Amino acid sequence: NAGVTQTPKFQVLKTGQSMTLQCAQDMNHNSMYWYRQDPGMGLRLIYYSASEGTTDKGEVPNGYNVSRLNKREFSLRLESAAPSQTSVYFCASRFIRAGANVLTFGAGSRLTVL
Amino acid sequence: AQKITQTQPGMFVQEKEAVTLDCTYDTSDQSYGLFWYKQPSSGEMIFLIYQGSYDEQNATEGRYSLNFQKARKSANLVISASQLGDSAMYFCAMREARIDRGSTLGRLYFGRGTQLTVWP
Repeated sequence: NAGVTQTPKFQVLKTGQSMTLQCAQDMNHNSMYWYRQDPGMGLRLIYYSASEGTTDKGEVPNGYNVSRLNKREFSLRLESAAPSQTSVYFCASRFIRAGANVLTFGAGSRLTVL
Repeated sequence: AQKITQTQPGMFVQEKEAVTLDCTYDTSDQSYGLFWYKQPSSGEMIFLIYQGSYDEQNATEGRYSLNFQKARKSANLVISASQLGDSAMYFCAMREARIDRGSTLGRLYFGRGTQLTVWP
C-alpha cells in the first residue's frame, strides 16, 4: 500500500518551460488536492478534484492546470514556468477517519524555476 | 483575513517537558474541523489529531491533545513528555464545510506553522 505517490521528487526548470507533476493514490479516495508550500506561508490550495472528472480552483490557481485522469491520478501542469512557481508541491487525497475528513499527503515535489 | 493564525514562529522545549503550540481560527461556519499536522525535516506531512466543532471533549491521540476553546476560537496543540523526535514544523489547519457539486468537499486552510525544537 503506497498511499499517495508523487513524481518527480525534484525538478529544475528554466523560465518558460513546461512540466507536469504526477500524483497517484491507491486508496480508492474520491477527492484529491494539489497544494504548494512556500517559506513562511504554510500550505495553499492550488486545485482540487472532488471526484473523477471534476476539478475546481483553489486559492492560488493562476499559472497551473490540472487533470483528473481517473480515480487514481491527479496531475498538475505548469504550461510556462515562472520563478514565482519555485516551491514545494504536495498532492493529497482525502479519507474519512472517525467522522473527520483527513488529508493524507505525498512526500512532496521540490520545483525550482530559474 | 487569515483563517488560521499561528503566532509562534518557533518554540523550544526540553525533552520530557510539555509544550503548547498556539492556533486561533476564523470562521462563521457552525460546522468545521480543526487539524494538526507535523512536518519533520524529511518533508512529509503527517496527520496528528482532529477536533470537530461539535465535539464537546478535547481530542487526544497518545501524547497529543487538542485544547479546544470554541468561544475563543482557539485550538492549541499540547504535546506531553516531549521527545527529540518531536522536533519538526507543526501546522494547524481548518476545514470549513462547503457544498460542491452536491458533495461536501472539506477544503483545508493551513496556518504558517510553528517550528518546534526539542533539546536534551
